[in-house]
Parts: sequence; structure tokens; C-alpha cells
Amino acid sequence: AQTIHQWPVAEIKAVGSPLSLGCTIKGKSSPNLYWYWQATGGTLQQLFYSITVGQVESVVQLNLSASRPKDDQFILSTEKLLLSHSGFYLCAWSLRGTSAETLYFGSGTRLTVL
Amino acid sequence: QQQVRQSPQSLTVWEGETAILNCSYEDSTFNYFPWYQQFPGEGPALLISIRSVSDKKEDGRFTIFFNKREKKLSLHITDSQPGDSATYFCAASEDNYAQGLTFGLGTRVSVFP
Repeated sequence: AQTIHQWPVAEIKAVGSPLSLGCTIKGKSSPNLYWYWQATGGTLQQLFYSITVGQVESVVQLNLSASRPKDDQFILSTEKLLLSHSGFYLCAWSLRGTSAETLYFGSGTRLTVL
Repeated sequence: QQQVRQSPQSLTVWEGETAILNCSYEDSTFNYFPWYQQFPGEGPALLISIRSVSDKKEDGRFTIFFNKREKKLSLHITDSQPGDSATYFCAASEDNYAQGLTFGLGTRVSVFP
């Protein structure tokens, strides 16, 4: 069975500090991977997607970056957090090489920037 | 500009009633429309989906009605249950499009017993 694990579950960080969020997918070979951001009570804004290892496409500029160092791992990071980075970060996967017909979401990371 | 619009923003129904959630879209290239259900503190999960070649899709108490000409669709939840209380997102994508889904702002549904 496929599992998606996000870490950490929650973070409280200071403005200007660095951030690294991670996501691991087990049980699926070469999935498409996605990062979404959700403000409290808001919609799901796609940030990045990756179809293969080492390749990441940015969808919206939010002073964040993403990397895919391994087939089953997706990392979201920034050198300097802003207040506007607060929210719920969701990692998702879909079947490799197909349309994003079904996105399978992780349980998310709640980020609070103070 | 919001590519996928949802209404109402929130909806309250009594147990047993039918909840109707509306969605419209701008981009004519969209041809796949999934609905996701999200409970507080959790990631969204696929509930039901439809392709633009169909005008209706049913799965238990959940039914999607689709009008391609008007670029509108709706999700009907019949015999609503308190466990259906959640936020529902309408999403859209093009066929063979690995880049991801475009989501609406969501409709928060509350079902009271």
C-alpha cells in the first residue's frame, strides 16, 4: 500500500529563520510530486510539481524553493521565512506519467511564523 | 482571477436534507473535474470526479451534475449526515496534464442532526 509521510507535523518559526519541510512516498515508483499551500480557511494553492528526480517546476513565486533529491522524497525550503508563509503545507502525489487525475495528499505540516 | 469558482462559501443543512454545492470554471481546456473533501487538520481526499464527456456521475449519496455549455457543475449530497460536515473543494485540470489541479475556494458544509 502507498503511504505518504510529511514532516514535521507542525512548526513554529521566527521571521527570517530558515525552513525545511519534507515528504516521503512509499510504495509507488516514480510518482509525480506536488507541494500545495493552504491559508487557514483558504483554498489550495499549488507551489511546485516534479515529474522526475532532480527536476522541479515552480508554479507560483512565494520566496520558497523545492527539491527532489530522491525518487520518493520532496523537500520544501526557504532561507528566510516571512509572516506570509504561515499556513498549512500539503505534499501530494499522483501516478507517474499520467494526468494529475487523483492527487493523494499527506496529512500536512502546520507552519506558524511569528 | 479565480479560474475555478465555488458557491456558496458555507452551507448549513439538517440531517437528511440535500446539500447542493456549485462550481464554475473559466478555462475551456479543463475537462476533468474532481471534488475533494477535507476535514479540519487533514489533507483533502478525492470524493468523486467527472469528465466533460459526461453530464452526470453518481457514487452513493454523492452526485455530480455537469453542464459543459455553461461551464458549470454541482455536487449534490443527498440524505446528508453529520459526518459529511467538511469543506468541499471543486478542482479542474486538462487531460493528460501532470502539472496538477486548480482548486476553487471551497464550500464549508455543516450538517446538523
